[in-house]
Amino acid sequence: QITLKESGPTLVKPTQTLTLTCTFSGFSLSTSGVGVGWIRQPPGKALEWLALIYWDDDKRYSPSLKSRLTITKDTSKNQVVLTMTNMDPVDTATYYCAHRVRGYNYFDYWGQGTLVTVSS
Amino acid sequence: AIRMTQSPSSFSASTGDRVTITCRASQGISSYLAWYQQKPGKAPKLLIYAASTLQSGVPSRFSGSGSGTDFTLTISCLQSEDFATYYCQQYYSGWTFGQGTKVEIK
Repeated sequence: QITLKESGPTLVKPTQTLTLTCTFSGFSLSTSGVGVGWIRQPPGKALEWLALIYWDDDKRYSPSLKSRLTITKDTSKNQVVLTMTNMDPVDTATYYCAHRVRGYNYFDYWGQGTLVTVSS
Repeated sequence: AIRMTQSPSSFSASTGDRVTITCRASQGISSYLAWYQQKPGKAPKLLIYAASTLQSGVPSRFSGSGSGTDFTLTISCLQSEDFATYYCQQYYSGWTFGQGTKVEIK
């Protein structure tokens, strides 16, 4: 079955760069149509889509955060990495990675999420 | 960017009630809409995609309808495990979530 799990620091300082890793199983990012996305959720607030990478290495970013985000994949390790530069306290959130349904842009499997706090 | 507006933001209901949540898109999105359920401390769970198609394993008391700009999620007979926050998400152009609707126990 498909599983995803996020990993990375729980605390980062303002202006630092955040690097999060999504390690998954049950599918391959080399299979046509597959994609992995990142979504975040500040405490008590709504979900916000951040980025998505497709099997063919095509990448999409949230327009409001595009300048700060980079998404990459390591197909051999079954991992997707998200980096976010210039972190600010408003970026404090639970960050989720999720499996994009083949051929469609909704998410059927999600990781458990990882809470990242931005504070000095 | 397409904006998604849900209403109401929250409401109270009783077990057995029929409840409806509305999601409106700022422009037409055809049927490219999904609904998710989220419980405290948990990841969202996919309920419905393509506006009205029930995800495998989701109880039939959940249903979705709509196309274009106006969509609804209906729970026909609210159960105790349905008290949660619900989000709509458009995938017509990029990805955008609504602000969520919290269903609380009356």
